[in-house]
Amino acid sequence: QSVLTQPPSASGTPGQRVTISCSGSSSNIGSNTVNWYQQLPGTAPKLLIFSNNQRPSGVPDRFSGSKSGTSASLAISGLQSEDEADFYCATWDDSLNGPVFGGGTKLTVV
Amino acid sequence: QVQLQQWGAGLLKPSETLSLTCGVYGGSLSGYYWSWIRQPPGKGLEWMGEINLSGKTSYNPSLKSRVTISVDTSKKQFSLKLSSVTAADTAVYYCARVSVGTATTGTPGFYYYMDVWGKGTTVTVSS
Repeated sequence: QSVLTQPPSASGTPGQRVTISCSGSSSNIGSNTVNWYQQLPGTAPKLLIFSNNQRPSGVPDRFSGSKSGTSASLAISGLQSEDEADFYCATWDDSLNGPVFGGGTKLTVV
Repeated sequence: QVQLQQWGAGLLKPSETLSLTCGVYGGSLSGYYWSWIRQPPGKGLEWMGEINLSGKTSYNPSLKSRVTISVDTSKKQFSLKLSSVTAADTAVYYCARVSVGTATTGTPGFYYYMDVWGKGTTVTVSS
């Protein structure tokens, strides 16, 4: 059971906009910034969004992040087939005194 | 560009000790934390612990009694040991660089994220 809650799956068609939610509590998302990781099949996770809405160099602006209260969201616009991956939200948890992850959301581009 | 290269035994028997090492290439150990994360087959990510250049460590409470993370600054490497492994420890193990601090611009406040990852090492525990 993950500390952060994500839907197990999401899907969309090419060109569509999809969002993935991440729900936490006051000890984690409510008081710290949120990061998102993308894990393509068979590869290591890659930092996609950090500090709620910042993109590392090289990440397309089709990917955006937001946070409100104890929840966060990842939005992907102009969906492409190569976006098929698992996406994980993560943040620091003040109670556990360590980072925590969501259970992951498998995105399918149909 | 910083790269992490990891290595270690991939097949263990129950009760043995898992030992993995991660080398840091193209960058400094200074100013970052260095972490280990694992992913059981078909499951999500689990933070195991981390260390900084000074040797300060922090561990996941669920693993604390079995985990040791160390750093060798002369070789620019950090290592993971997990004792008394069982089948439940079968997973892909990743090393990662952690950026942590307090931002005053952009999104102000505490930040913590893993921005460079190793490729992962598959560890199987089986008798």
